[in-house]
Amino acid sequence: DAGITQSPRHKVTETGTPVTLRCHQTENHRYMYWYRQDPGHGLRLIHYSYGVKDTDKGEVSDGYSVSRSKTEDFLLTLESATSSQTSVYFCAISGGDRGLPGELFFGEGSRLTVL
Amino acid sequence: KQEVTQIPAALSVPEGENLVLNCSFTDSAIYNLQWFRQDPGKGLTSLLLIQSSQREQTSGRLNASLDKSSGRSTLYIAASQPGDSATYLCAVRPGDDKIIFGKGTRLHILP
Repeated sequence: DAGITQSPRHKVTETGTPVTLRCHQTENHRYMYWYRQDPGHGLRLIHYSYGVKDTDKGEVSDGYSVSRSKTEDFLLTLESATSSQTSVYFCAISGGDRGLPGELFFGEGSRLTVL
Repeated sequence: KQEVTQIPAALSVPEGENLVLNCSFTDSAIYNLQWFRQDPGKGLTSLLLIQSSQREQTSGRLNASLDKSSGRSTLYIAASQPGDSATYLCAVRPGDDKIIFGKGTRLHILP
């Protein structure tokens, strides 16, 4: 465990509602990532951060926004959730003191269902 | 655009056999390559990380190799056990830090 927690772990919401997922890390990792995992598509990068207030888009960023106001927390927001955003969302971190240089560590995932 | 491919998508082998999982990538300009294991309903666990300057890494019964020039990596598992059953994913880290994953190989070890 590389000191990474995701919340909530499970959420059911309705189409059109806003949703925020939180990733919290305790080991001063520079990089933080949000991925979604879907059958047939594997893990796809949504957004990532390379420092406080420094973020960039991944391959499936439409419909998602992120914020990183402090090193420990990386928030993923769905402004208006759609059924196509039903997925398992994973946060990942790297660039900290733990592990090898560039090694990526994952959280346990957040399962989101949009009805 | 970097693409990562893992073939086969699924593999079943009898317990005790040695096996090789494959990962290929299209752009050789990578910073590192990492292998993960994922059990059903769980997150990803890091198995081995190979830096771009390295050719292989070993951990217990696992050995990962990297050939950047050909865009290939292999994960060798020796003396397979039923507990090795899981999905194995590889990921490459290019220079822009947008880490890209293959879709994984689902491994089933037959007792």
